[in-house]
Amino acid sequence: EIVLTQSPATLSLSPGERVTLSCRASQSVAEYLNWYQQKTGQPPRLLIYDTSNRAAGVPARFSGSGSGTDFTLTVSSLEPEDFAIYYCQHRDSWPYTFGQGTKLQI
Amino acid sequence: EVQLLESGGGLTQPGGSLRLSCIVSTFSFTSFGMSWVRQAPGKGLEWISFVSVGSGTTYYADSVKGRFIVTRDNSKNTVVLQMNSLTVEDTAVYYCAKSADGVWGRVDVWGQGTVVTVSS
Repeated sequence: EIVLTQSPATLSLSPGERVTLSCRASQSVAEYLNWYQQKTGQPPRLLIYDTSNRAAGVPARFSGSGSGTDFTLTVSSLEPEDFAIYYCQHRDSWPYTFGQGTKLQI
Repeated sequence: EVQLLESGGGLTQPGGSLRLSCIVSTFSFTSFGMSWVRQAPGKGLEWISFVSVGSGTTYYADSVKGRFIVTRDNSKNTVVLQMNSLTVEDTAVYYCAKSADGVWGRVDVWGQGTVVTVSS
């Protein structure tokens, strides 16, 4: 099973700031790494798929990069609605696993 | 817009069974795989099962293998998760999840979730 480790666990930031979240895989997942956003009481929402592709309707301030085992999600300028938990997830092989999440808080 | 509606959650005792259903509102149900992902209270996400378009491929997480069975009925746009031998560790919100068309392992539409509580 591929283990995804996200860092940091929690980030305290302010609107307007730039933030980079990290996801490291225990073995290569090629480019098959997705990012989801989850707000309290809601299901997750797909943000980025296959490392760097924004899902439909996702603002351009969200971007992803990386390959192999190291990936990042960047938010160029935080909006109030971006404070949430972010999960990375790989689809390289079953079982598809998620990282433990990074919480962005004000 | 594709929508997923789960039902069947509730309270059951350890060792009990529950059957979760998910109805998908779309004309193209046979274009994508379907999954179940769960989230224990205050915890992260766990992908527990997947079924391909024709049901030829099913996957299960080790945590549920041998106890849960996923099926789909393409004539009814429905996917079902039969959960047996439940334990307190199965307490979670269970999300029905649609895979992107032709792509396994990427969820592009989520249900709102149904709550399963296993307690004596």
